[in-house]
Amino acid sequence: GQQVMQIPQYQHVQEGEDFTTYCNSSTTLSNIQWYKQRPGGHPVFLIQLVKSGEVKKQKRLTFQFGEAKKNSSLHITATQTTDVGTYFCAGPDYGGSQGNLIFGKGTKLSVKP
Amino acid sequence: DVKVTQSSRYLVKRTGEKVFLECVQDMDHENMFWYRQDPGLGLRLIYFSYDVKMKEKGDIPEGYSVSREKKERFSLILESASTNQTSMYLCASSFGTPPGEQFFGPGTRLTVL
Repeated sequence: GQQVMQIPQYQHVQEGEDFTTYCNSSTTLSNIQWYKQRPGGHPVFLIQLVKSGEVKKQKRLTFQFGEAKKNSSLHITATQTTDVGTYFCAGPDYGGSQGNLIFGKGTKLSVKP
Repeated sequence: DVKVTQSSRYLVKRTGEKVFLECVQDMDHENMFWYRQDPGLGLRLIYFSYDVKMKEKGDIPEGYSVSREKKERFSLILESASTNQTSMYLCASSFGTPPGEQFFGPGTRLTVL
Protein backbone atom coordinates (compact mmCIF):
# COMPACT_ATOMS: atom_id res chain seq x y z
CA GLY A 1 0.00 0.00 0.00
CA GLN A 2 0.87 3.66 -0.12
CA GLN A 3 3.67 4.63 2.24
CA VAL A 4 5.29 7.81 3.47
CA MET A 5 8.75 7.32 4.91
CA GLN A 6 10.87 9.76 6.87
CA ILE A 7 14.53 9.75 7.73
CA PRO A 8 16.27 10.01 10.05
CA GLN A 9 14.13 8.78 12.93
CA TYR A 10 16.22 10.76 15.43
CA GLN A 11 18.64 13.64 15.11
CA HIS A 12 20.73 15.17 17.86
CA VAL A 13 22.41 18.46 17.06
CA GLN A 14 24.39 21.13 18.84
CA GLU A 15 22.60 24.47 19.01
CA GLY A 16 23.57 26.48 15.97
CA GLU A 17 24.01 23.47 13.70
CA ASP A 18 21.75 22.86 10.74
CA PHE A 19 19.17 20.07 10.57
CA THR A 20 17.42 18.33 7.69
CA THR A 21 14.68 15.72 7.61
CA TYR A 22 13.65 13.89 4.46
CA CYS A 23 10.30 12.53 3.43
CA ASN A 24 9.71 10.01 0.63
CA SER A 25 6.41 8.80 -0.74
CA SER A 26 5.78 5.57 -2.62
CA THR A 27 3.33 7.47 -4.84
CA THR A 28 3.19 10.86 -6.50
CA LEU A 29 1.49 13.34 -4.22
CA SER A 30 -0.77 16.25 -5.10
CA ASN A 31 0.55 18.04 -2.03
CA ILE A 32 2.59 17.46 1.08
CA GLN A 33 2.12 18.88 4.55
CA TRP A 34 4.55 19.32 7.42
CA TYR A 35 3.69 19.32 11.13
CA LYS A 36 5.65 19.93 14.30
CA GLN A 37 4.94 18.33 17.64
CA ARG A 38 6.64 19.82 20.68
CA PRO A 39 7.41 17.48 23.61
CA GLY A 40 4.17 16.89 25.51
CA GLY A 41 2.16 18.68 22.84
CA HIS A 42 0.12 17.82 19.79
CA PRO A 43 1.02 18.09 16.09
CA VAL A 44 0.67 21.58 14.69
CA PHE A 45 0.49 22.34 10.99
CA LEU A 46 3.51 24.18 9.59
CA ILE A 47 3.03 24.36 5.85
CA GLN A 48 1.63 22.77 2.69
CA LEU A 49 3.52 22.43 -0.59
CA VAL A 50 1.62 21.90 -3.80
CA LYS A 51 3.77 22.63 -6.85
CA SER A 52 6.54 20.51 -8.29
CA GLY A 53 9.91 21.89 -7.19
CA GLU A 54 8.28 24.33 -4.78
CA VAL A 55 10.44 25.94 -2.11
CA LYS A 56 8.94 27.83 0.82
CA LYS A 57 10.63 29.54 3.73
CA GLN A 58 9.47 30.34 7.22
CA LYS A 59 12.25 32.25 8.96
CA ARG A 60 14.97 29.62 9.52
CA LEU A 61 12.88 26.77 8.09
CA THR A 62 13.08 25.87 4.39
CA PHE A 63 10.65 23.39 2.86
CA GLN A 64 11.11 21.77 -0.53
CA PHE A 65 8.85 19.62 -2.68
CA GLY A 66 10.63 17.43 -5.21
CA GLU A 67 10.28 17.77 -8.94
CA ALA A 68 8.56 14.39 -9.17
CA LYS A 69 6.32 15.28 -6.20
CA LYS A 70 7.38 12.11 -4.40
CA ASN A 71 9.79 13.58 -1.90
CA SER A 72 10.16 16.57 0.34
CA SER A 73 12.57 17.98 2.86
CA LEU A 74 12.58 20.34 5.79
CA HIS A 75 15.82 22.16 6.56
CA ILE A 76 16.39 24.23 9.68
CA THR A 77 19.29 26.66 9.64
CA ALA A 78 21.15 27.35 12.88
CA THR A 79 18.93 25.32 15.19
CA GLN A 80 17.73 26.75 18.47
CA THR A 81 16.40 24.99 21.55
CA THR A 82 12.92 26.12 20.53
CA ASP A 83 13.20 23.83 17.48
CA VAL A 84 13.09 20.73 19.68
CA GLY A 85 10.28 18.36 18.78
CA THR A 86 9.13 15.81 16.26
CA TYR A 87 8.60 16.83 12.65
CA PHE A 88 6.09 14.89 10.56
CA CYS A 89 5.37 14.99 6.87
CA ALA A 90 2.00 13.86 5.51
CA GLY A 91 0.48 13.28 2.10
CA PRO A 92 -3.03 12.52 0.80
CA ASP A 93 -4.14 8.90 1.12
CA TYR A 94 -5.25 7.87 -2.35
CA GLY A 95 -6.20 4.40 -1.22
CA GLY A 96 -8.75 5.60 1.27
CA SER A 97 -11.62 8.03 1.23
CA GLN A 98 -11.35 11.72 0.70
CA GLY A 99 -9.86 13.86 3.42
CA ASN A 100 -7.39 11.36 4.81
CA LEU A 101 -3.64 11.88 5.20
CA ILE A 102 -0.83 9.37 5.55
CA PHE A 103 1.77 10.54 8.05
CA GLY A 104 5.43 9.62 8.11
CA LYS A 105 6.74 8.28 11.42
CA GLY A 106 8.45 11.57 12.13
CA THR A 107 11.95 12.80 12.89
CA LYS A 108 12.63 13.61 16.51
CA LEU A 109 15.01 16.53 16.88
CA SER A 110 16.91 17.25 20.05
CA VAL A 111 19.10 20.32 20.40
CA LYS A 112 21.94 20.54 22.87
CA PRO A 113 22.50 24.09 24.14
CA ASP B 1 -9.27 30.87 17.22
CA VAL B 2 -9.94 27.38 15.91
CA LYS B 3 -10.26 24.70 18.48
CA VAL B 4 -10.36 20.94 18.90
CA THR B 5 -11.02 19.81 22.44
CA GLN B 6 -10.83 16.38 23.99
CA SER B 7 -12.79 15.32 27.04
CA SER B 8 -9.85 14.28 29.20
CA ARG B 9 -6.13 14.95 29.26
CA TYR B 10 -5.36 11.87 31.32
CA LEU B 11 -7.48 8.79 31.91
CA VAL B 12 -6.87 5.62 33.90
CA LYS B 13 -9.15 2.64 33.34
CA ARG B 14 -9.21 -1.03 34.25
CA THR B 15 -9.03 -3.94 31.83
CA GLY B 16 -12.47 -4.82 30.50
CA GLU B 17 -14.00 -1.40 31.12
CA LYS B 18 -15.85 0.43 28.37
CA VAL B 19 -14.08 3.70 27.63
CA PHE B 20 -15.43 6.76 25.85
CA LEU B 21 -13.12 9.43 24.45
CA GLU B 22 -14.89 12.54 23.23
CA CYS B 23 -13.71 15.10 20.71
CA VAL B 24 -15.38 18.37 19.79
CA GLN B 25 -14.38 20.85 17.09
CA ASP B 26 -15.77 24.33 16.57
CA MET B 27 -14.65 24.89 12.97
CA ASP B 28 -17.56 23.23 11.12
CA HIS B 29 -15.12 20.71 9.63
CA GLU B 30 -16.46 17.80 7.63
CA ASN B 31 -13.62 15.42 8.49
CA MET B 32 -12.71 14.12 11.90
CA PHE B 33 -10.05 11.60 12.83
CA TRP B 34 -8.87 9.48 15.71
CA TYR B 35 -5.20 8.51 15.93
CA ARG B 36 -3.13 6.74 18.50
CA GLN B 37 0.47 7.67 19.00
CA ASP B 38 3.07 5.32 20.43
CA PRO B 39 6.85 5.86 20.64
CA GLY B 40 8.56 4.92 17.41
CA LEU B 41 5.29 4.17 15.62
CA GLY B 42 4.21 7.69 14.71
CA LEU B 43 0.55 8.53 14.21
CA ARG B 44 -1.65 5.57 13.40
CA LEU B 45 -5.16 6.18 12.14
CA ILE B 46 -7.87 4.29 14.00
CA TYR B 47 -11.06 5.63 12.40
CA PHE B 48 -12.16 8.69 10.54
CA SER B 49 -15.43 10.28 9.52
CA TYR B 50 -16.12 12.56 6.59
CA ASP B 51 -19.72 13.33 7.46
CA VAL B 52 -22.28 12.92 10.19
CA LYS B 53 -23.07 9.24 10.79
CA MET B 54 -20.35 8.23 8.32
CA LYS B 55 -17.25 6.38 9.42
CA GLU B 56 -14.39 4.55 7.84
CA LYS B 57 -11.80 2.23 9.29
CA GLY B 58 -8.24 3.38 9.41
CA ASP B 59 -5.14 1.27 9.80
CA ILE B 60 -5.81 -0.15 13.27
CA PRO B 61 -9.59 -0.27 13.98
CA GLU B 62 -9.59 -3.54 15.91
CA GLY B 63 -10.88 -3.12 19.44
CA TYR B 64 -12.34 0.32 18.72
CA SER B 65 -15.58 1.79 17.47
CA VAL B 66 -16.68 5.36 16.78
CA SER B 67 -19.78 7.49 16.76
CA ARG B 68 -20.54 10.74 14.98
CA GLU B 69 -24.11 11.85 15.65
CA LYS B 70 -23.37 15.56 15.27
CA LYS B 71 -20.96 17.30 12.93
CA GLU B 72 -18.89 18.82 15.71
CA ARG B 73 -18.50 15.70 17.84
CA PHE B 74 -16.60 12.47 17.20
CA SER B 75 -16.39 9.82 19.88
CA LEU B 76 -13.96 6.92 20.16
CA ILE B 77 -15.16 3.89 22.09
CA LEU B 78 -13.07 1.10 23.51
CA GLU B 79 -15.66 -1.63 24.02
CA SER B 80 -13.51 -3.63 26.44
CA ALA B 81 -10.26 -1.89 27.28
CA SER B 82 -7.07 -3.92 27.24
CA THR B 83 -3.57 -3.10 28.43
CA ASN B 84 -2.28 -2.92 24.85
CA GLN B 85 -4.60 0.04 24.31
CA THR B 86 -2.57 2.12 26.72
CA SER B 87 -1.51 5.01 24.51
CA MET B 88 -1.85 8.68 23.60
CA TYR B 89 -5.05 9.28 21.64
CA LEU B 90 -5.24 12.29 19.35
CA CYS B 91 -8.32 13.66 17.69
CA ALA B 92 -8.08 15.87 14.61
CA SER B 93 -10.40 17.62 12.18
CA SER B 94 -10.12 19.17 8.74
CA PHE B 95 -12.16 20.56 5.90
CA GLY B 96 -13.22 18.22 3.11
CA THR B 97 -11.36 17.34 -0.05
CA PRO B 98 -8.62 17.62 -1.05
CA PRO B 99 -7.14 16.79 2.37
CA GLY B 100 -6.46 20.07 4.08
CA GLU B 101 -4.63 21.05 7.20
CA GLN B 102 -5.53 18.88 10.16
CA PHE B 103 -6.15 20.57 13.49
CA PHE B 104 -5.31 18.37 16.44
CA GLY B 105 -6.70 18.30 19.93
CA PRO B 106 -4.40 18.22 22.98
CA GLY B 107 -4.59 14.44 23.27
CA THR B 108 -5.76 11.99 25.91
CA ARG B 109 -3.18 9.82 27.59
CA LEU B 110 -5.03 6.62 28.42
CA THR B 111 -3.61 4.05 30.81
CA VAL B 112 -5.33 0.68 31.06
CA LEU B 113 -4.39 -1.29 34.17
